[in-house]
Amino acid sequence: QKEVEQDPGPLSVPEGAIVSLNCTYSNSAFQYFMWYRQYSRKGPELLMYTYSSGNKEDGRFTAQVDKSSKYISLFIRDSQPSDSATYLCAMSDGFQKLVFGTGTRLLVSP
Amino acid sequence: EAGVTQFPSHSVIEKGQTVTLRCDPISGHDNLYWYRRVMGKEIKFLLHFVKESKQDESGMPNNRFLAERTGGTYSTLKVQPAELEDSGVYFCASSQETSGSVQETQYFGPGTRLLVL
Repeated sequence: QKEVEQDPGPLSVPEGAIVSLNCTYSNSAFQYFMWYRQYSRKGPELLMYTYSSGNKEDGRFTAQVDKSSKYISLFIRDSQPSDSATYLCAMSDGFQKLVFGTGTRLLVSP
Repeated sequence: EAGVTQFPSHSVIEKGQTVTLRCDPISGHDNLYWYRRVMGKEIKFLLHFVKESKQDESGMPNNRFLAERTGGTYSTLKVQPAELEDSGVYFCASSQETSGSVQETQYFGPGTRLLVL
């Protein structure tokens, strides 16, 4: 069993839709949770960083962590075609090594 | 400020050959990481340098892989001899100093796409 499970998609939505991306994990030692965005042929770019459980909002993006359920989410409001990318969840126990999900490919159509 | 850079961007080699990948971290970042993504799989950790020392090399797949970071600046990852299963995208990332068990933000380079034929 993988430590982090993430649906690979693709997830296709119309412009303006609310997008929900999710990951589940099995390692209860994970304390830090990140969402990276990766455009084609580019490296992952950090979008959101959360410590422990709770919500964090940054513009159109909201990250949620539920440690009791070992479940994290990323919501994108008013999605734009420029949001089309692969979204990777990543997590760690604080000792720097990141454990990634496979990534979800998001397509936002105009 | 320049980001993490990697060279080459692409490499196509034959099985049995040697390839050396290079990573230049963000200036002043003590921590340097190597990750790899094999097609269809998740990005996986290979190893972590703090300055010139290997902090964690638990993800290195076997002894055909050799990573160095002489002088604590750029790093090289050598694969010798390369096998078909080594094909994938090799990412380098860097972060500032580690603060105990607080997770530092890692900044990724664009990756080196390696194809072993």
